[in-house]
Amino acid sequence: ETGVTQTPRHLVMGMTNKKSLKCEQHLGHNAMYWYKQSAKKPLELMFVYNFKEQTENNSVPSRFSPECPNSSHLFLHLHTLQPEDSALYLCASSPGTGVYYGYTFGSGTRLTVV
Amino acid sequence: GQQLNQSPQSMFIQEGEDVSMNCTSSSIFNTWLWYKQDPGEGPVLLIALYKAGELTSNGRLTAQFGITRKDSFLNISASIPSDVGIYFCAGNSGNTPLVFGKGTRLSVIA
Repeated sequence: ETGVTQTPRHLVMGMTNKKSLKCEQHLGHNAMYWYKQSAKKPLELMFVYNFKEQTENNSVPSRFSPECPNSSHLFLHLHTLQPEDSALYLCASSPGTGVYYGYTFGSGTRLTVV
Repeated sequence: GQQLNQSPQSMFIQEGEDVSMNCTSSSIFNTWLWYKQDPGEGPVLLIALYKAGELTSNGRLTAQFGITRKDSFLNISASIPSDVGIYFCAGNSGNTPLVFGKGTRLSVIA
């Protein structure tokens, strides 16, 4: 247990479904991130939130919609996904967004779009 | 944007052997980090480097921040079966988010 909890661990959804991924941290961190991890690709940054405000959207399609109600919780709402969106979605947090902070990752949600 | 080249992509080694992997950047970094990812889990931070030339150890792991600030190395001595996993380098400069390498997949043959 790293201090960052992601649920569910596995998710299978159809292309017309709507689902949400949840991330929770009680490390007192102020920054939270969503990353996508596909086979044979680097970790791809999707969104960055700092003090609940979105500070980065890395050209992510609108079928992915993040929500950060407070510094401890981060959601990723999914709708009308494509099979190529199947991947491991990782949440991470850090004390801030400066250079001296390593990220603490959750265990990820393995998403399969059918 | 910033890119990281990590090599090798994969390694198969005998238990007890030493391992070396490296990462190069197209631009100067202020921070280099090394993570390990076990199957079915998220990456876990192993070593953080903040100064050019810095050499830091964590048990059998040693990492160095290259003096050009564009590269970093990770060495694992006397590998054991639990060293199996994917090792990622990551780095950034300024207040930009971390950029990750593609990873080095390590397999240890007992």
